[in-house]
Amino acid sequence: GAGVSQSPSNKVTEKGKDVELRCDPISGHTALYWYRQRLGQGLEFLIYFQGNSAPDKSGLPSDRFSAERTGESVSTLTIQRTQQEDSAVYLCASSLEGAGARSTDTQYFGPGTRLTVL
Amino acid sequence: DQQVKQNSPSLSVQEGRISILNCDYTNSMFDYFLWYKKYPAEGPTFLISISSIKDKNEDGRFTVFLNKSAKHLSLHIVPSQPGDSAVYFCAASGWARQLTFGSGTQLTVLP
Repeated sequence: GAGVSQSPSNKVTEKGKDVELRCDPISGHTALYWYRQRLGQGLEFLIYFQGNSAPDKSGLPSDRFSAERTGESVSTLTIQRTQQEDSAVYLCASSLEGAGARSTDTQYFGPGTRLTVL
Repeated sequence: DQQVKQNSPSLSVQEGRISILNCDYTNSMFDYFLWYKKYPAEGPTFLISISSIKDKNEDGRFTVFLNKSAKHLSLHIVPSQPGDSAVYFCAASGWARQLTFGSGTQLTVLP
């Protein structure tokens, strides 16, 4: 597709349930990022995948959060035992990540998944 | 600890006038700065960027200024148009590729 897509667009779940969010990056983009945006706040980095390298998980807020990526394609973010503070918009971004030039690192964002934990 | 700060949550400007959005950062390791625009229910859209080796970058109506000594950057939009009404996020990156974002400024351009 032309841009980054995410599904579902909205997810309402009950506290304690697990949720899985999906991201389809732009074809050919080797780098993929997950961010979240809580109400009234900026975007907060969660995790970064680059090709076949080990992911940078430094932004994951707890061990309830995990993410996987299949090669250079789809990624899923899983939140186990959801809590009310997990309510946020979860945004995925991808970039070309060419060798050297920072301009190729421009991140293109999907529309996000709005997660509401009741 | 907010490394990127946008101290003005909102800004209103008359159509045709200049909009100036400000951003401050604290991490001296940041060397690449970006502005993103976000409409409701959409993801952020890249607008313009600047490397720390420059102090100005211009693209049409949009100009970003970087003052490294003050750790300050600003986005100028001139002339402002009603379609520019959106939330503007300042972002920065260093050796780590992930972006650190500010909390955003809601720009409203009044017709």
